[in-house]
Amino acid sequence: EVQLVESGGDLVQPGGSLRLSCAVSGFTFSSSAMCWVRQPPGKGLEWVSSISGGGGTTYYADSVKGRFTISRDNSKNTLYLQMNSLRDEDTAVYYCTKARSGWNWFDPWGQGTLVTVSS
Amino acid sequence: DIQMTQSPSSVSASVGDRVTITCRASQGISSWLAWFQQKPGKAPELLIYAASSLQSGVPSRFSGSGSGTDFTLTISSLQPEDFATYYCQQTNSFPLTFGGGTKVEIK
Repeated sequence: EVQLVESGGDLVQPGGSLRLSCAVSGFTFSSSAMCWVRQPPGKGLEWVSSISGGGGTTYYADSVKGRFTISRDNSKNTLYLQMNSLRDEDTAVYYCTKARSGWNWFDPWGQGTLVTVSS
Repeated sequence: DIQMTQSPSSVSASVGDRVTITCRASQGISSWLAWFQQKPGKAPELLIYAASSLQSGVPSRFSGSGSGTDFTLTISSLQPEDFATYYCQQTNSFPLTFGGGTKVEIK
């Protein structure tokens, strides 16, 4: 069974940093592109970042470019999102998800982890 | 960036009704479109990929159609478990973008 379990969400002050993790099992992690998607409370979905299976190719939404870094450790079957210079508008549930067929078709998703940026 | 516009933003319907949700891309995306269902407090789930391919395990009352810029998600006979929010997403090019969502509510 494919499982994705996020962790690391917390309350952090504006300007602070946080690292999210997503531990996966049930599939060949190193062969799959992975993504982060976020959802502010009561709002819609926003794609944040994607990374190739080997980790050599990454993409970011403009809203997080230069502040967030996606990475992965294929030996640990874990995906990461390092978030720096956090802003109020980064408050959201952050989901990790596996991409099928290259960069496409997000399935399945983790249960999400809540990041709250507030003073 | 490719903008995805969903309509309506909400719809009230009864069990057994046929429900259609539309999604329009600001430029052509071929069939690079997915549909997701999200229930309150839960993660989204993939329903349809490549515009019209049904994800394994999804009931056949769900169907998708369209290509280019105009797409539809149809629920042929609404069931109680279908009351949720639905999102379209384009995967034609980065940045990947979602529609604003359509909430299907009980009438």
